[in-house]
Amino acid sequence: AAGVIQSPRHLIKEKRETATLKCYPIPRHDTVYWYQQGPGQDPQFLISFYEKMQSDKGSIPDRFSAQQFSDYHSELNMSSLELGDSALYFCASSLKSGTDNNEQFFGPGTRLTVL
Amino acid sequence: AQSVTQLGSHVSVSEGALVLLRCNYSSSVPPYLFWYVQYPNQGLQLLLKYTSAATLVKGINGFEAEFKKSETSFHLTKPSAHMSDAAEYFCAVRLGGYNKLIFGAGTRLAVHP
Repeated sequence: AAGVIQSPRHLIKEKRETATLKCYPIPRHDTVYWYQQGPGQDPQFLISFYEKMQSDKGSIPDRFSAQQFSDYHSELNMSSLELGDSALYFCASSLKSGTDNNEQFFGPGTRLTVL
Repeated sequence: AQSVTQLGSHVSVSEGALVLLRCNYSSSVPPYLFWYVQYPNQGLQLLLKYTSAATLVKGINGFEAEFKKSETSFHLTKPSAHMSDAAEYFCAVRLGGYNKLIFGAGTRLAVHP
């Protein structure tokens, strides 16, 4: 079965640079979530989209932005990168946001290292 | 506000021994509760979930969890640990109308021979 695809899997950037992370949800899934997991930390919710509209927002810095496109893939754009942005970024997808029992399926993550 | 607390950041068991990973939740409404496993350098895999059906939930790899409302707990158990169970385990809560997951701090399970 098709899973959530994230690219790139690894990314190394310098401070103050920009980065774009991509997420391709499971086919027919209409909701995408982004989570950030720092070293030794639990995943923290950043932002989610349902049918290309932002549906919820968590602890996402103003330097970050995200969107969901017409094909339901999503991109997380990160600017003015800081050392503290080094983390594993997960994307998850689900079907029919707001429906009980909808399960989130996680991608393998993108490991971002800021030097 | 919803939250989960995982007691014990590290748990070590012998192969074949009982695995018990503790999770307590806080929620003002009936919660949806999940257990995820994360192997080194990998993503999150769903072990099991509670969605207000049966209070005893069976998951993959022989794991199960029991929802106890009176104790606000959702502990994860496995009767006999296997070396391959060594991983990080996260308990998470989701409010029905808001779909973001709120994770606990995680418990690292070590299994020794």
